[in-house]
Amino acid sequence: RKEVEQDPGPFNVPEGATVAFNCTYSNSASQSFFWYRQDCRKEPKLLMSVYSSGNEDGRFTAQLNRASQYISLLIRDSKLSDSATYLCVVTGGGADGLTFGKGTHLIIQP
Amino acid sequence: GAVVSQHPSRVICKSGTSVKIECRSLDFQATTMFWYRQFPKKSLMLMATSNEGSKATYEQGVEKDKFLINHASLTLSTLTVTSAHPEDSSFYICSARSSSGTSGPYEQYFGPGTRLTVT
Repeated sequence: RKEVEQDPGPFNVPEGATVAFNCTYSNSASQSFFWYRQDCRKEPKLLMSVYSSGNEDGRFTAQLNRASQYISLLIRDSKLSDSATYLCVVTGGGADGLTFGKGTHLIIQP
Repeated sequence: GAVVSQHPSRVICKSGTSVKIECRSLDFQATTMFWYRQFPKKSLMLMATSNEGSKATYEQGVEKDKFLINHASLTLSTLTVTSAHPEDSSFYICSARSSSGTSGPYEQYFGPGTRLTVT
């Protein structure tokens, strides 16, 4: 079983729509969770951390379900500039490095 | 703040040669730096964790004698790919974790990456 699994997409979504991604992780000892955004041939950039209580940052809402070991990201009122690959990232239990999912490719269409 | 640079951004080398990639934290001190590798359409994979002044910790399957890591200061880590082969062609990305208390314990800041092509 892969450590972090995401639907690779692509998700083709009209501008202004709401889109949601999920991600599942296998390591129950994972302590921290993040969503990163990666544009084509660029480095990943932190979008937001994911907290157990759920958190919101503008149009973006992240939620964590530890019992089911999944993380979600919701994007409201999507913009053309939201087109990117969204990476689900977790930390390994006791390890410092980040474990990345393959990413979900999002395409916002005008 | 929290800017990480990498040099070079792109390198093409012949099989059998060695290539050094530098990773610098420009405006913060990083006690820990990480090296990742990303093959096309694949996820980033952690290669090694380096702590300033000590030996790097390599992930399973990563040859430490082939990928030499030096973390000589709080702002600089280098990755040397020795005797490079075409299968080493990849996108190498470093990240740094701030030693200050302002960011979360696992937040990492990524460099722009180095695209290595071995012919």
